[in-house]
Order: sequence, then C-alpha cells, then structure tokens
Amino acid sequence: AQKITQTQPGMFVQEKEAVTLDCTYDTSDQSYGLFWYKQPSSGEMIFLIYQGSYDEQNATEGRYSLNFQKARKSANLVISASQLGDSAMYFCAMREIIQGAQKLVFGQGTRLTINP
Amino acid sequence: DTGVSQDPRHKITKRGQNVTFRCDPISEHNRLYWYRQTLGQGPEFLTYFQNEAQLEKSRLLSDRFSAERPKGSFSTLEIQRTEQGDSAMYLCASSLVGPKAGYTFGSGTRLTVV
Repeated sequence: AQKITQTQPGMFVQEKEAVTLDCTYDTSDQSYGLFWYKQPSSGEMIFLIYQGSYDEQNATEGRYSLNFQKARKSANLVISASQLGDSAMYFCAMREIIQGAQKLVFGQGTRLTINP
Repeated sequence: DTGVSQDPRHKITKRGQNVTFRCDPISEHNRLYWYRQTLGQGPEFLTYFQNEAQLEKSRLLSDRFSAERPKGSFSTLEIQRTEQGDSAMYLCASSLVGPKAGYTFGSGTRLTVV
C-alpha cells in the first residue's frame, strides 16, 4: 500500500518569505501521481499542483512549485513570496490505482501560518 | 458550472439517528469519490463511483454506510444508526477519467453526532 508522510505538523513563516512543506512517499509502483491540496478553514480542498512520476521537469503553478526528487521519494511544495491568505492546512497526496479504480492517499497535513 | 456542491454544510444529529448527505459533481465528470476527514487528519477514502457503478468500497465503510449514484449524476451517502465516532467532515470529489485527471473537491459536510 502507498503511504504519504508529512513530518511538519505546523509551520510559521513571515509574510513575503518563501516556505517549503515536506512530503515523502512510499510506493512500489513505477507510474504514480503526486498532488498538493490547500484546505482553508472553510473546509474545501483546493488543488494546487500535480507531478507525474515520469515528468522530467518539476511542476510549477504560479507561486507554487514542486521540488520532486524521485530517488529520495520526496515531493516538497515550495511557496514563494508567501501571503497572509496562504495560511491553511496543506496536504500531500498520491494517486493509488487498484484494479483500475483510483483514489487519493493523503498525508496528515501541515498547518501553515503566515505572520504579518 | 460552479464546481462540486455538497449539502448540507453542517449536520448535528443525535446518536442512533439516520443521516443522508448529497453531492452534486461537476456535470461532465464521470468519477465521484467520497472521503471522510476526522479532526487533525488527512482525508480517508470511503468509496468511488464511475458513472452509476460503485467500483470500490473501503473497509472504513461499515454496513451502516451506504452510497448511491443513480443515473450517474448526483450521489448520496447515508449513515444509519449514527455513532459518535461518525463525527467527521465528509468530502465529495469528482474527476474525469485519465492519469492526470485532477480531483475537484466540494466544501464538505461536517457531521456532529451528539
């Protein structure tokens, strides 16, 4: 079974600084997908960025980038120039495919707080 | 299309009562998922539909839980004889078919069993 580990329960960062949220994963699959989601206090899971295991370049989406190190099985999220609105829970997830059905396996999350 | 809608947003019920939640996915998405999220944890997979067919159910989904997706459109999740341990956020997501298909989540239904 696949497993996602997020070792930082909480992070505190000054506004405008860059922040890196850690994510390591464990899988025996050769083909897999990694996702990052943001969950504000409203509860909605907001998709941020996706990295496929065969993608040669690290994914980027605006201020979000994914530092993908396949050999280390890590997929860290980097947020540049943090803003107060970035304060939220952040979840790393991996797509698991079993018998054709697919589902996301989530880590425990990191609570990010941006200080003014 | 405004995304995935879930109703109600909050539900407080007494232990032993039945509850039903509804999810309306993005109209062109043929896959629909239910997840449960307890406080301080990441979401956990419950069940998954492709069109109207329920293709997988987690062991977390006890006999008290049932999900349907008639006609492959909206879905309902029913919990019978609720227990305090059922208190959680229930999240619905939908997606297209494909390895890079993103999952769009709804805002969830927060259930409190008292």
